[in-house]
Amino acid sequence: AQSVTQLDSQVPVFEEAPVELRCNYSSSVSVYLFWYVQYPNQGLQLLLKYLSGSTLVKGINGFEAEFNKSQTSFHLRKPSVHISDTAEYFCAVSAVPDDKIIFGKGTRLHILP
Amino acid sequence: DTAVSQTPKYLVTQMGNDKSIKCEQNLGHDTMYWYKQDSKKFLKIMFSYNNKELIINETVPNRFSPKSPDKAHLNLHINSLELGDSAVYFCASSPRDRGYEQYFGPGTRLTVT
Repeated sequence: AQSVTQLDSQVPVFEEAPVELRCNYSSSVSVYLFWYVQYPNQGLQLLLKYLSGSTLVKGINGFEAEFNKSQTSFHLRKPSVHISDTAEYFCAVSAVPDDKIIFGKGTRLHILP
Repeated sequence: DTAVSQTPKYLVTQMGNDKSIKCEQNLGHDTMYWYKQDSKKFLKIMFSYNNKELIINETVPNRFSPKSPDKAHLNLHINSLELGDSAVYFCASSPRDRGYEQYFGPGTRLTVT
C-alpha cells in the first residue's frame, strides 16, 4: 500500500521569499502524485499533478514540483510567495491504476508580512 | 456554474438524529467520493462510487450509508449521529482517464451537539 508524508506541519515564510514544501511517498508500484491547496473555509483545489513524462511539473499560481523517483519525493516550490498563498497544502499519491488517492496530513503555509 | 456542489454548507444537529448531505457534479465524471476532514485537517476517504456502483468502502461505521441515484449525484446519510461525527465532509469527483485527479465540493461542516 502507498503512503505519503509531509515533513512539515507548518511553514512560515516572509512575503516575496521562496518556499519549498516537502513531500515524500512510499509505494511498491508506479504512482501518480498531486498537490492540492485548501484556502480557509473552502474545498481542495488541484495545484498540479505528475502522471508521467517530465519530472518538473508546473501548476497554477506560479507553483511547480519536481518528481524524484530515487528519493521518492515530490517537493512543491514557489520562487516568490504572496500573502494570498496563505493556505493548507496537501500532497497526495495514487497507485497506478487505482481509484483511491491517499492524502498527506497537510502543511500550513503562513506568510509573514 | 459550480462543478461540484454540496448541500447544506452547515449542519448543526443533536446526538441521535439522522441527517443527509447531498452532492451533485456537472462535470460528467464517472467517479465520486466522500471524504471526512477532522479538526486537524486530516483528510480520509470514506466511500467511492463509479457509475452508481460502490468501489471503495473504507472502515466507516454502518451508520454512514452512501447512495448514488445516478452518476451525477452521491448523497451521504448518517444515522444516530454521535459527537465524533463532527467534521467537514467533502464530496469529490474524478475522471478515470486523468490519473484520478479530484475535483472537490465546498464542504459541509457538520456539528453534533
